[in-house]
Amino acid sequence: DTGVSQDPRHKITKRGQNVTFRCDPISEHNRLYWYRQTLGQGPEFLTYFQNEAQLEKSRLLSDRFSAERPKGSFSTLEIQRTEQGDSAMYLCASSTRQGPEAFFGQGTRLTVV
Amino acid sequence: GEDVEQSLFLSVREGDSSVINCTYTDSSSTYLYWYKQEPGAGLQLLTYIFSNMDMKQDQRLTVLLNKKDKHLSLRIADTQTGDSAIYFCAEIDSSYKLIFGSGTRLLVRP
Repeated sequence: DTGVSQDPRHKITKRGQNVTFRCDPISEHNRLYWYRQTLGQGPEFLTYFQNEAQLEKSRLLSDRFSAERPKGSFSTLEIQRTEQGDSAMYLCASSTRQGPEAFFGQGTRLTVV
Repeated sequence: GEDVEQSLFLSVREGDSSVINCTYTDSSSTYLYWYKQEPGAGLQLLTYIFSNMDMKQDQRLTVLLNKKDKHLSLRIADTQTGDSAIYFCAEIDSSYKLIFGSGTRLLVRP
């Protein structure tokens, strides 16, 4: 297992288009998190899954954002009708229930033009 | 609400020690973390400390926790140019999500 994997690494899209990102967590990690990081800031929490259940969503996650983790393994984050303000690095992290360590993927950098 | 604050920038000479400081507000945090981020990359977990500990040492890294003052620090001994990066302090809240500071940019001068 090579760690948390995110795809794509970079995405450029036109305003108004929909985009979908994928995250593959570390095997057997039942917790999966999405964060967003803008330039010069720390990551901000978006949403969190325990297995397939989405347990918490930030108020940062507008109606245009949706996340799924259908079988409790990989997760997708979709942004509909993208806006320039959505340009950011989207980070995924995973952890186990038993341990405090959360490991991050390399992120997907989204640029909305 | 929860808040984590860090100084923005630190410059040190190669071979010196670096100390990065952080303050947090959530006294119920069970763990506190230090992550490292290099340009264009994700976050690398460096170390973490359980809230009932005062200190944790891991090779060149020393974490000090002052719960009374809600102050966390990361000391890097014998700082190398490869340590140049942004360092994030984070606390974990009751929902197990991480609350991050804005990061401290460490520049190591040769």
